[in-house]
Amino acid sequence: NAGVTQTPKFQVLKTGQSMTLQCAQDMNHEYMSWYRQDPGMGLRLIHYSVGAGITDQGEVPNGYNVSRSTTEDFPLRLLSAAPSQTSVYFCASSYLSGHGRNSPLHFGNGTRLTVT
Amino acid sequence: DQQVKQNSPSLSVQEGRISILNCDYTNSMFDYFLWYKKYPAEGPTFLISISSIKDKNEDGRFTVFLNKSAKHLSLHIVPSQPGDSAVYFCAASESTRGAQKLVFGQGTRLTINP
Repeated sequence: NAGVTQTPKFQVLKTGQSMTLQCAQDMNHEYMSWYRQDPGMGLRLIHYSVGAGITDQGEVPNGYNVSRSTTEDFPLRLLSAAPSQTSVYFCASSYLSGHGRNSPLHFGNGTRLTVT
Repeated sequence: DQQVKQNSPSLSVQEGRISILNCDYTNSMFDYFLWYKKYPAEGPTFLISISSIKDKNEDGRFTVFLNKSAKHLSLHIVPSQPGDSAVYFCAASESTRGAQKLVFGQGTRLTINP
């Protein structure tokens, strides 16, 4: 069972460079999301998607773009990297929740990004 | 404004004793609460959850208690084992249909001493 796969595991960027963090899941989950983890702040939601072709902003979306062309993949793009985007990024997926029924998020192992 | 707070950054417990991790929330619309466990260099893994219609949920050594009037939840681990050493995050969401937008606390690092 692959679950949620994130690549790369580590990345160093210079300020102003762009890159895409990849996320793929093989559990046929409709819901996918991106979080960033910073010391003392827990995990904060960047963007999320409830299905192919549908994306929406989370708590901290500025500086990031996403797209969802397939159920399996949900890439996160940094258009012009800034030092404030140095963080650990986690992709997570789940089935869509219904009233009174919830599906826990499954997380990937993260991408550690450093912007110099 | 932090909607979910874990006020203890770290906790140290003797092996075999009870570990109690605490979490407070401010948003009264939250009705689904979860605990995640995280080891270094791995993603968080789901541990246990509770709906606001309950005040207690057990799964083996893990029990979550919810006090809605105090907007407080806690995770009890009995007995604590060395493998329980990890960072624990509590999280909360509103049970709307569709997107499960979890709000996380800052995490508590639990160390179990042999």
